[in-house]
Amino acid sequence: QQQVKQSPQSLIVQKGGISIINCAYENTAFDYFPWYQQFPGKGPALLIAIRPDVSEKKEGRFTISFNKSAKQFSLHIMDSQPGDSATYFCAATPGNTPLVFGKGTRLSVIA
Amino acid sequence: EPEVTQTPSHQVTQMGQEVILRCVPISNHLYFYWYRQILGQKVEFLVSFYNNEISEKSEIFDDQFSVERPDGSNFTLKIRSTKLEDSAMYFCASSERGPSTDTQYFGPGTRLTVL
Repeated sequence: QQQVKQSPQSLIVQKGGISIINCAYENTAFDYFPWYQQFPGKGPALLIAIRPDVSEKKEGRFTISFNKSAKQFSLHIMDSQPGDSATYFCAATPGNTPLVFGKGTRLSVIA
Repeated sequence: EPEVTQTPSHQVTQMGQEVILRCVPISNHLYFYWYRQILGQKVEFLVSFYNNEISEKSEIFDDQFSVERPDGSNFTLKIRSTKLEDSAMYFCASSERGPSTDTQYFGPGTRLTVL
């Protein structure tokens, strides 16, 4: 119930391509869904977040798509760049409780 | 830009020894967290702290762990008797408001190696 399932585990994308990472959850009480970006040796940094009252949120090249009925949300990185190469974690929380993280996706953007 | 800081960046200890990991949260933040990440795995919640007491803790946070805010700036995680499986990156995080209402800012982490 508390799990967030993330896929794929790793992803290789050509520079300029679209990177898509997916997450699914079971707990319908989750009401906040952030994505974190982590570079090697660094802590996770918030990238973008969404609440279930909207189906999409866009910030620059990063978009979250949210499907409440399917209990899925995804991160799209448009025009992927080598500097986007990092590990991406989806997360969720059912209110005023700590984040539950997915297992992470290692993204490599190659020129 | 304000940031969460953690010391040390790397701690090596012998099994059975006590370690204290230190964090300085962002100054106006009220909620503090510890997470850990075993190499190559997901980030796991350990404990949250608000108003000078533990607000929530996970199954991982057993009796060998404790947290403290000894003064107005530091937030510490103590592991009383380290085990080999405690080897991980430990991240401190803070937020101005609760976890679903505000961004959690993570520190750079402390890599704990238990030999």
